Amino acid sequence: QLQLQESGPGLVKPSETLSLTCTVSGGSISTSSYYWGWIRQPPGKGLECIGNIYYSGSTYYNPSLKSRVTISVDTSKNQFSLTLGSVTAADTAVYYCARHHSSSFYDYWGQGTLVTVSS
Amino acid sequence: QSVLTQPPSVSAAPGQKVTISCSGSSSDIGSNYVSWYQQVPGTAPKLLIYQNSGRPSGVPDRFSGSKSGTSATLGITGLQTGDEADYYCGAWDSSLSAWMFGGGTKLTVL
Repeated sequence: QLQLQESGPGLVKPSETLSLTCTVSGGSISTSSYYWGWIRQPPGKGLECIGNIYYSGSTYYNPSLKSRVTISVDTSKNQFSLTLGSVTAADTAVYYCARHHSSSFYDYWGQGTLVTVSS
Repeated sequence: QSVLTQPPSVSAAPGQKVTISCSGSSSDIGSNYVSWYQQVPGTAPKLLIYQNSGRPSGVPDRFSGSKSGTSATLGITGLQTGDEADYYCGAWDSSLSAWMFGGGTKLTVL
């Protein structure tokens, strides 16, 4: 059974950089037809796609976040990572990693990790 | 603000049927697949429907999806108290080149 697990700091200061890693187990990240993505959910609000990455390194970023986001992949560790720069309180959210089928759906999700932006 | 529009809430009694709508445009639902997700509070979203009407293994056939034009619908029959959750639709928007989620619909089973 495929499993995804997010890890990283739960507290980030304003203007600094948020960094998270997703570790994939029970399957290879180097699988054709699947991307690997990050989605976030501010407290009490809906879901927002941040972006996806293919194992080859090809990326998609949400246009509204593109200037601050980098997603990278490490196939040797079966991990992919998110960095979000110049964070503000508006970036406080639960961050999920998930697997994205190329025909457009997210089928496996991590449990999510809460990141709070506060001084 | 979501490009995909869902009703904020719906409710029905146990055993009854409910539908949740997701309204979009020609550049999202009208030209791309729709998926649906169930999120029980405090947990991660779970894929319910993919490619408009497909059900992943393990999802009961009480859940169904359909699409017509620029709208999609999630149907749930034989409602159970365990179905109380937030439900989200999702689709690619070709004009924005962005993946979009609907604003979510809270289902209450009275």
